[in-house]
Amino acid sequence: GIQVEQSPPDLILQEGANSTLRCNFSDSVNNLQWFHQNPWGQLINLFYIPSGTKQNGRLSATTVATERYSLLYISSSQTTDSGVYFCAVERSWDYGGSQGNLIFGKGTKLSVKP
Amino acid sequence: GAGVSQTPSNKVTEKGKYVELRCDPISGHTALYWYRQSLGQGPEFLIYFQGTGAADDSGLPNDRFFAVRPEGSVSTLKIQRTERGDSAVYLCASSLGSHSPADTQYFGPGTRLTVL
Repeated sequence: GIQVEQSPPDLILQEGANSTLRCNFSDSVNNLQWFHQNPWGQLINLFYIPSGTKQNGRLSATTVATERYSLLYISSSQTTDSGVYFCAVERSWDYGGSQGNLIFGKGTKLSVKP
Repeated sequence: GAGVSQTPSNKVTEKGKYVELRCDPISGHTALYWYRQSLGQGPEFLIYFQGTGAADDSGLPNDRFFAVRPEGSVSTLKIQRTERGDSAVYLCASSLGSHSPADTQYFGPGTRLTVL
């Protein structure tokens, strides 16, 4: 099956620093989502980004589908950014339709220190 | 409702018992998904409903696990003869179910199941 690898597995930042999280995937995908799992376990949608670049405040994401990777950028990090960031992909069938279920990476655990 | 809701938020049971976990999806979402998340891991797919029918149940680990969605809205995940290895957070998600590539999944807060 499709493999989703995230790096780094752990990241410690000082408040105000910038960071880049990476997601590599091994097959063609129709859907790629980035999530933030907060300390209470809630998965919060950040981006739906199967290709291209999107920005939302201090966060932005870029997916290069032809090279099978996605990047999540966090600028001017805050302590509330702490948690685990997951990349998840949805495989495409040969005819182009989506398979339905998301396949998650193991996540990047981010700790932002004040 | 405003989001996906799941009940109970926590469930503690004894080995061998039967449990039911409930998911109430976002209104109007025809697709519903169950995932399981173990400590330190990403969520793993269990089953996917499109309407009332299970479109893909390939992630269910064995026949002790079963899920239903009789009216195409609320879903119940049922686990028989629970084992300690079933302890995990069970997550539910829903989406519009358009089968298009632009179908975003939204997750509930999860049910933390502990089997003693």
